[in-house]
Amino acid sequence: EAQVTQNPRYLITVTGKKLTVTCSQNMNHEYMSWYRQDPGLGLRQIYYSMNVEVTDKGDVPEGYKVSRKEKRNFPLILESPSPNQTSLYFCASSLSSGGAYGYTFGSGTRLTVV
Amino acid sequence: AQSVTQLGSHVSVSEGALVLLRCNYSSSVPPYLFWYVQYPNQGLQLLLKYTSAATLVKGINGFEAEFKKSETSFHLTKPSAHMSDAAEYFCAVSLLYNNNDMRFGAGTRLTVKP
Repeated sequence: EAQVTQNPRYLITVTGKKLTVTCSQNMNHEYMSWYRQDPGLGLRQIYYSMNVEVTDKGDVPEGYKVSRKEKRNFPLILESPSPNQTSLYFCASSLSSGGAYGYTFGSGTRLTVV
Repeated sequence: AQSVTQLGSHVSVSEGALVLLRCNYSSSVPPYLFWYVQYPNQGLQLLLKYTSAATLVKGINGFEAEFKKSETSFHLTKPSAHMSDAAEYFCAVSLLYNNNDMRFGAGTRLTVKP
């Protein structure tokens, strides 16, 4: 089944403790992206990747890191999480970053930083 | 830059009634337009998309949307609401290939009353 897999689905952590949210897609998509979803703010892009070893900042990159060493994986790293990073996170992938291709989204990771 | 505006952050309808979710876009060139649906505790799922072929687009679960260039609109409709339609709906616009330019609206939460 074609899908984007995120792990974990739920995570509660403490301020300052490094964490990684994994994202993997099995569709050979070139483009991958991370979003956070907050009430009243919709989806905001954190980072995106056009292809392997090519990443760039989205609208809200502060406090996050990403890497794209393999085409299928695009982990999101929070080096020192803070409470304002409590949010619902989504990974998405697509054949292309724009145009007529829609995005396939993962099921989400609900992160709580205390 | 392109953008979408979803009119109404919350829409409530009775079961069996018409569903109308409004989306207006702004774009300097012909856009690609999308509707996504997010059920509780799930990721976004592509409902339908407009890619400059037919202006009336049919999607999954009985939804359809009509592209109206003169009104810069892409409203989502369904003739008869079902309880299972309760979800959040996002309109999105994209332009060029490989340009990281997909932009999402703020979302409309649809409630269906019995």
